Amino acid sequence: DGGITQSPKYLFRKEGQNVTLSCEQNLNHDAMYWYRQDPGQGLRLIYYSQIVNDFQKGDIAEGYSVSREKKESFPLTVTSAQKNPTAFYLCASSIAVTTQETQYFGPGTRLLVL
Amino acid sequence: DQQVKQNSPSLSVQEGRISILNCDYTNSMFDYFLWYKKYPAEGPTFLISISSIKDKNEDGRFTVFLNKSAKHLSLHIVPSQPGDSAVYFCAASLNAGKSTFGDGTTLTVKP
Repeated sequence: DGGITQSPKYLFRKEGQNVTLSCEQNLNHDAMYWYRQDPGQGLRLIYYSQIVNDFQKGDIAEGYSVSREKKESFPLTVTSAQKNPTAFYLCASSIAVTTQETQYFGPGTRLLVL
Repeated sequence: DQQVKQNSPSLSVQEGRISILNCDYTNSMFDYFLWYKKYPAEGPTFLISISSIKDKNEDGRFTVFLNKSAKHLSLHIVPSQPGDSAVYFCAASLNAGKSTFGDGTTLTVKP
Protein backbone atom coordinates (compact mmCIF):
# COMPACT_ATOMS: atom_id res chain seq x y z
CA ASP A 1 0.00 0.00 0.00
CA GLY A 2 1.24 3.50 -0.81
CA GLY A 3 1.30 6.06 1.92
CA ILE A 4 3.16 8.05 4.50
CA THR A 5 4.45 6.60 7.72
CA GLN A 6 5.60 8.48 10.77
CA SER A 7 7.36 7.05 13.75
CA PRO A 8 7.17 6.88 16.62
CA LYS A 9 3.54 7.59 17.47
CA TYR A 10 4.59 9.08 20.82
CA LEU A 11 7.97 10.54 21.67
CA PHE A 12 9.31 11.85 24.95
CA ARG A 13 12.05 14.40 25.15
CA LYS A 14 14.16 15.34 28.12
CA GLU A 15 15.30 18.89 28.71
CA GLY A 16 18.25 19.81 26.51
CA GLN A 17 17.88 16.75 24.31
CA ASN A 18 17.57 16.61 20.55
CA VAL A 19 15.01 14.19 19.15
CA THR A 20 14.34 13.10 15.58
CA LEU A 21 10.95 12.33 14.11
CA SER A 22 10.83 9.98 11.17
CA CYS A 23 8.76 10.45 8.02
CA GLU A 24 8.81 8.05 5.08
CA GLN A 25 6.69 8.00 1.93
CA ASN A 26 6.44 5.51 -0.90
CA LEU A 27 4.19 7.64 -3.10
CA ASN A 28 7.11 8.82 -5.26
CA HIS A 29 6.26 12.41 -4.32
CA ASP A 30 8.85 15.11 -4.83
CA ALA A 31 7.58 17.47 -2.15
CA MET A 32 7.46 16.82 1.58
CA TYR A 33 6.39 18.98 4.49
CA TRP A 34 6.47 19.16 8.26
CA TYR A 35 3.69 20.81 10.24
CA ARG A 36 3.09 21.42 13.89
CA GLN A 37 -0.36 21.44 15.46
CA ASP A 38 -1.09 22.85 18.88
CA PRO A 39 -4.45 22.32 20.63
CA GLY A 40 -7.24 24.35 19.09
CA GLN A 41 -4.97 25.70 16.40
CA GLY A 42 -4.37 25.08 12.76
CA LEU A 43 -1.36 23.54 11.13
CA ARG A 44 1.77 25.66 11.00
CA LEU A 45 4.48 24.92 8.48
CA ILE A 46 7.92 24.17 9.92
CA TYR A 47 9.94 23.14 6.86
CA TYR A 48 9.26 21.90 3.37
CA SER A 49 11.30 20.27 0.66
CA GLN A 50 10.62 20.47 -3.05
CA ILE A 51 13.27 17.98 -4.10
CA VAL A 52 16.07 15.84 -2.74
CA ASN A 53 18.90 17.80 -1.08
CA ASP A 54 16.79 20.94 -0.97
CA PHE A 55 14.60 22.32 1.80
CA GLN A 56 13.12 25.66 2.79
CA LYS A 57 12.09 27.18 6.09
CA GLY A 58 8.42 27.53 6.80
CA ASP A 59 6.72 29.89 9.21
CA ILE A 60 8.11 28.45 12.45
CA ALA A 61 11.48 26.88 11.60
CA GLU A 62 13.39 28.14 14.64
CA GLY A 63 14.53 25.28 16.86
CA TYR A 64 14.05 22.66 14.15
CA SER A 65 16.25 21.11 11.48
CA VAL A 66 15.60 18.75 8.58
CA SER A 67 17.43 16.79 5.93
CA ARG A 68 16.36 15.36 2.59
CA GLU A 69 19.01 12.89 1.50
CA LYS A 70 16.53 10.51 -0.07
CA LYS A 71 13.32 11.20 -1.95
CA GLU A 72 11.29 8.99 0.34
CA SER A 73 12.59 10.30 3.66
CA PHE A 74 12.29 13.68 5.39
CA PRO A 75 13.30 13.43 9.07
CA LEU A 76 12.67 16.34 11.45
CA THR A 77 14.97 17.05 14.38
CA VAL A 78 13.59 19.01 17.29
CA THR A 79 16.61 20.63 18.86
CA SER A 80 17.16 21.83 22.40
CA ALA A 81 16.72 25.37 21.05
CA GLN A 82 13.01 24.70 20.61
CA LYS A 83 11.69 25.90 23.96
CA ASN A 84 8.13 24.70 23.57
CA PRO A 85 8.29 21.44 21.64
CA THR A 86 5.20 19.74 23.06
CA ALA A 87 2.85 19.40 20.09
CA PHE A 88 1.44 17.07 17.47
CA TYR A 89 3.74 16.86 14.44
CA LEU A 90 2.42 16.00 11.01
CA CYS A 91 4.41 15.08 7.94
CA ALA A 92 2.88 15.40 4.49
CA SER A 93 3.85 14.90 0.89
CA SER A 94 2.59 15.99 -2.50
CA ILE A 95 3.47 15.26 -6.09
CA ALA A 96 5.19 18.63 -6.40
CA VAL A 97 5.09 22.07 -4.93
CA THR A 98 2.72 23.63 -7.44
CA THR A 99 -0.50 25.56 -7.12
CA GLN A 100 -2.87 22.68 -7.43
CA GLU A 101 -1.41 20.21 -5.06
CA THR A 102 -3.11 17.96 -2.63
CA GLN A 103 -1.09 16.96 0.35
CA TYR A 104 -1.24 13.53 1.85
CA PHE A 105 -0.63 13.38 5.55
CA GLY A 106 0.93 10.81 7.83
CA PRO A 107 -0.69 9.72 11.11
CA GLY A 108 1.38 12.14 13.20
CA THR A 109 3.80 11.98 16.12
CA ARG A 110 2.93 13.42 19.50
CA LEU A 111 5.99 14.87 21.23
CA LEU A 112 5.96 15.35 24.98
CA VAL A 113 8.60 16.93 27.19
CA LEU A 114 9.55 15.17 30.42
CA ASP B 1 -1.68 38.10 11.19
CA GLN B 2 -3.70 35.00 10.41
CA GLN B 3 -4.37 34.79 6.69
CA VAL B 4 -6.92 31.98 6.85
CA LYS B 5 -9.59 32.11 9.52
CA GLN B 6 -12.28 29.71 10.57
CA ASN B 7 -14.25 31.78 13.02
CA SER B 8 -16.46 28.99 14.35
CA PRO B 9 -14.48 26.58 16.53
CA SER B 10 -17.38 24.15 16.64
CA LEU B 11 -20.63 23.28 14.89
CA SER B 12 -23.33 20.83 15.86
CA VAL B 13 -26.02 19.60 13.46
CA GLN B 14 -28.64 16.89 13.37
CA GLU B 15 -28.14 13.86 11.16
CA GLY B 16 -29.69 14.39 7.74
CA ARG B 17 -29.49 18.18 7.91
CA ILE B 18 -27.01 20.42 6.12
CA SER B 19 -23.65 21.33 7.67
CA ILE B 20 -22.10 24.59 6.56
CA LEU B 21 -18.51 25.29 7.51
CA ASN B 22 -17.09 28.71 6.79
CA CYS B 23 -13.64 30.05 6.06
CA ASP B 24 -12.37 33.58 5.43
CA TYR B 25 -9.03 34.62 3.99
CA THR B 26 -7.21 37.91 3.70
CA ASN B 27 -4.71 37.37 0.91
CA SER B 28 -6.32 37.95 -2.49
CA MET B 29 -3.35 36.23 -4.16
CA PHE B 30 -4.41 32.79 -2.92
CA ASP B 31 -5.37 30.81 -6.00
CA TYR B 32 -6.28 27.40 -4.67
CA PHE B 33 -8.34 26.35 -1.70
CA LEU B 34 -8.69 22.99 -0.01
CA TRP B 35 -10.68 21.38 2.74
CA TYR B 36 -9.24 18.62 4.93
CA LYS B 37 -10.95 16.39 7.43
CA LYS B 38 -9.18 15.18 10.54
CA TYR B 39 -10.11 12.52 13.06
CA PRO B 40 -8.48 12.53 16.52
CA ALA B 41 -4.88 11.27 16.60
CA GLU B 42 -4.77 10.94 12.83
CA GLY B 43 -3.39 13.06 10.03
CA PRO B 44 -5.75 15.19 7.95
CA THR B 45 -7.16 13.70 4.77
CA PHE B 46 -7.98 15.70 1.69
CA LEU B 47 -11.69 16.25 1.14
CA ILE B 48 -12.35 18.69 -1.68
CA SER B 49 -10.70 21.64 -3.39
CA ILE B 50 -11.50 24.58 -5.61
CA SER B 51 -9.48 26.76 -7.93
CA SER B 52 -9.88 30.52 -7.76
CA ILE B 53 -11.25 30.53 -11.31
CA LYS B 54 -14.33 28.66 -10.16
CA ASP B 55 -17.05 29.52 -7.69
CA LYS B 56 -18.37 26.04 -6.97
CA ASN B 57 -17.10 22.49 -6.87
CA GLU B 58 -19.21 19.50 -5.98
CA ASP B 59 -18.25 15.96 -5.02
CA GLY B 60 -21.04 13.76 -3.79
CA ARG B 61 -22.38 15.12 -0.51
CA PHE B 62 -19.69 17.79 -0.36
CA THR B 63 -19.82 21.15 -2.12
CA VAL B 64 -17.38 24.01 -1.76
CA PHE B 65 -18.41 27.53 -2.66
CA LEU B 66 -15.95 30.35 -3.28
CA ASN B 67 -16.82 34.05 -3.12
CA LYS B 68 -13.68 35.87 -4.19
CA SER B 69 -15.06 39.35 -3.71
CA ALA B 70 -15.84 38.54 -0.09
CA LYS B 71 -12.71 36.40 0.33
CA HIS B 72 -14.92 33.69 1.73
CA LEU B 73 -15.40 30.03 1.10
CA SER B 74 -17.74 27.52 2.59
CA LEU B 75 -18.09 23.76 2.70
CA HIS B 76 -21.58 22.30 2.55
CA ILE B 77 -22.24 18.73 3.61
CA VAL B 78 -25.67 17.40 2.82
CA PRO B 79 -27.06 15.23 4.17
CA SER B 80 -24.82 15.18 7.24
CA GLN B 81 -23.96 11.80 8.72
CA PRO B 82 -22.55 10.86 12.15
CA GLY B 83 -19.37 9.66 10.42
CA ASP B 84 -18.80 13.22 9.26
CA SER B 85 -18.03 14.22 12.84
CA ALA B 86 -14.43 15.44 12.72
CA VAL B 87 -12.32 18.57 12.61
CA TYR B 88 -12.42 20.33 9.26
CA PHE B 89 -9.51 22.49 8.15
CA CYS B 90 -9.67 25.06 5.43
CA ALA B 91 -6.41 25.71 3.57
CA ALA B 92 -5.29 28.18 0.93
CA SER B 93 -2.24 28.12 -1.27
CA LEU B 94 -0.18 30.47 -3.41
CA ASN B 95 1.85 29.68 -6.48
CA ALA B 96 4.63 28.20 -4.38
CA GLY B 97 2.25 25.49 -3.30
CA LYS B 98 2.65 26.00 0.42
CA SER B 99 -0.72 25.80 2.11
CA THR B 100 -1.80 28.05 4.94
CA PHE B 101 -4.31 26.40 7.24
CA GLY B 102 -7.11 27.75 9.37
CA ASP B 103 -7.52 26.67 12.99
CA GLY B 104 -10.22 24.17 12.18
CA THR B 105 -13.90 23.71 12.99
CA THR B 106 -15.08 20.70 14.98
CA LEU B 107 -18.24 19.30 13.44
CA THR B 108 -20.50 17.08 15.52
CA VAL B 109 -23.34 15.32 13.75
CA LYS B 110 -25.93 14.02 16.19
CA PRO B 111 -27.90 10.88 15.35
